[in-house]
Amino acid sequence: DQQVKQNSPSLSVQEGRISILNCDYTNSMFDYFLWYKKYPAEGPTFLISISSIKDKNEDGRFTVFLNKSAKHLSLHIVPSQPGDSAVYFCAASARNTGNQFYFGTGTSLTVIP
Amino acid sequence: NAGVTQTPKFRVLKTGQSMTLLCAQDMNHEYMYWYRQDPGMGLRLIHYSVGEGTTAKGEVPDGYNVSRLKKQNFLLGLESAAPSQTSVYFCASSYETVLTFGAGSRLTVL
Repeated sequence: DQQVKQNSPSLSVQEGRISILNCDYTNSMFDYFLWYKKYPAEGPTFLISISSIKDKNEDGRFTVFLNKSAKHLSLHIVPSQPGDSAVYFCAASARNTGNQFYFGTGTSLTVIP
Repeated sequence: NAGVTQTPKFRVLKTGQSMTLLCAQDMNHEYMYWYRQDPGMGLRLIHYSVGEGTTAKGEVPDGYNVSRLKKQNFLLGLESAAPSQTSVYFCASSYETVLTFGAGSRLTVL
């Protein structure tokens, strides 16, 4: 059973606008969350992360929000750029249970110039 | 600094053949992982290792074996390949909290 879910397979956004990618998880033991970006024919690359002791983390145009009570996190990209077009995966881990990382199914973001 | 290197990048197998995917990392990471990526399924953990000489099963371990004889290398083996193992395989390593991925190995089983 999928412990990390991304219910939107794709998202299209106009350049300059905000992109919001969503992720839900079921395991309450997860205490660390990450977002990865993947271009075709390349490996995923780390984008941003957040610990469960925080509810927000920012890095330039990227902000991740965590709502522990709802078991939900989101990635905001502002402003969106055409180079942001990629597949985005969210991932979660429970650091005291073997350092396993569980990934969602991914959301394909297209930023339209 | 090469990071995580996977070989081969592409391979075509016939059903029943065996092969080994090699992952090498030069970051002195303790943890190493093998994932497979399939359309609509995301990245699923096959096996992982928390240190040299150790291995453990992930979400989808059936049909695969792994070995971690050296800290820098993590091998993924298919003893008898099946068409259901057609996939893109990613190796990753981590120190603690962030995974670093290789570029992937595309495997087709006919």
